[in-house]
Amino acid sequence: QVQLVESGGGVVQPGRSLRLSCVASGFTFSTYGMHWVRQTPGQGLEWVAVIWYDGGNKYYADSVKGRFTISRDNSKNTLYLQLNSLRVEDTAVYYCTRGGNSIDYWGQGTLVTVSS
Amino acid sequence: DIQMTQSPSSLSASLGDRVTITCRASQGISNYLAWFQQKPGKAPKSLIYDASRLQSGVPSKFSGSGSGTDFTLTISSLQPEDFGTYYCQQYYSFPWTFGQGTKVEIK
Repeated sequence: QVQLVESGGGVVQPGRSLRLSCVASGFTFSTYGMHWVRQTPGQGLEWVAVIWYDGGNKYYADSVKGRFTISRDNSKNTLYLQLNSLRVEDTAVYYCTRGGNSIDYWGQGTLVTVSS
Repeated sequence: DIQMTQSPSSLSASLGDRVTITCRASQGISNYLAWFQQKPGKAPKSLIYDASRLQSGVPSKFSGSGSGTDFTLTISSLQPEDFGTYYCQQYYSFPWTFGQGTKVEIK
């Protein structure tokens, strides 16, 4: 069965960096586009970034453009999100999701808290 | 960016009721619309894609319809396990955007 397991969340000070990872299993990772979606505490969902199956294309939400970088290692079945210049408003649960044309599977999420 | 607006923001219904949630896009998105269900403390679950197609394993009490700018999610007979928050999301163009959510409570 499809599994997406995120890790790397934690508490970090504003301006610092963090790298999230998502290990995928149960499907051919290298043939799917992958997304990160976040959810601020008690709030709704915000799409963050997408990377094509081969890493050839990437798109970002305006709120993270220039600060976050999505990448993948198909040999390790792993998706990454590098979070730089973190802000208090980046505090959220970050979900790794599988997306061909649409999102069909979600990981359990990893919490990032940005606080001084 | 395409804005997605859901209504109502919350609803309370009785077991067995037919429940309908609407989602409106700020511009036409063809049928590039998905619906998700989220329960407290859990990750969202995918229910519907392409406006009306059920994800694998999703019970047929859920149905979706619409095209262009107006969409609906219907639960034909509300059951206790259907409580939670429902979100619509467009994938017509980047950035993908979600509705603000509709909280469904059992009366």
